[in-house]
Amino acid sequence: DAGVIQSPRHEVTEMGQEVTLRCKPISGHNSLFWYRQTMMRGLELLIYFNNNVPIDDSGMPEDRFSAKMPNASFSTLKIQPSEPRDSAVYFCASSPPWETQYFGPGTRLLVL
Amino acid sequence: GQQLNQSPQSMFIQEGEDVSMNCTSSSIFNTWLWYKQDPGEGPVLLIALYKAGELTSNGRLTAQFGITRKDSFLNISASIPSDVGIYFCAGRDQTGANNLFFGTGTRLTVIP
Repeated sequence: DAGVIQSPRHEVTEMGQEVTLRCKPISGHNSLFWYRQTMMRGLELLIYFNNNVPIDDSGMPEDRFSAKMPNASFSTLKIQPSEPRDSAVYFCASSPPWETQYFGPGTRLLVL
Repeated sequence: GQQLNQSPQSMFIQEGEDVSMNCTSSSIFNTWLWYKQDPGEGPVLLIALYKAGELTSNGRLTAQFGITRKDSFLNISASIPSDVGIYFCAGRDQTGANNLFFGTGTRLTVIP
């Protein structure tokens, strides 16, 4: 059974460019979470969805960040325009309702 | 938001030694989880705890859900080199929200 799938695994871009991260949750999981991990701040929840609906986006840093979940099997996290301080590892996780979360392998983003 | 204090921040131990780490929260949690993150990978669930006082084992790992519901600990017995990684506690509070709060992690180094 495939786990959470994220793409790309690595992204290097220049400041000001748009970055789109993609996530495919585990089939049957109805909750999806986006996290950012840095050495300084650890693992931070950015936003999560239940049944494709955004429930809590209080962790989204600023308007440059946006996330969508158009259907149960796909979500995107977009940064526009990107800045060097956005460099981090971005994780997507999914879970059945109120159960444990399963993480994807992450996207390592470097903004130059 | 919730504060999870995880300690110690890092540990250097000899192969074969036992390890203990713990996590405390500022409020009551309904669920405690322990994850391990290997370099370049996403966190992987080790143990999930759902009841106060619950003691659960997974091989050489043992975790307990504290009686006060504000803490949890993880023990690793007879450590081996592949135990190296970062261990995170995570918990879900009583608000009914589906999101998890994560500790800052314990970085474990096992010296052969």
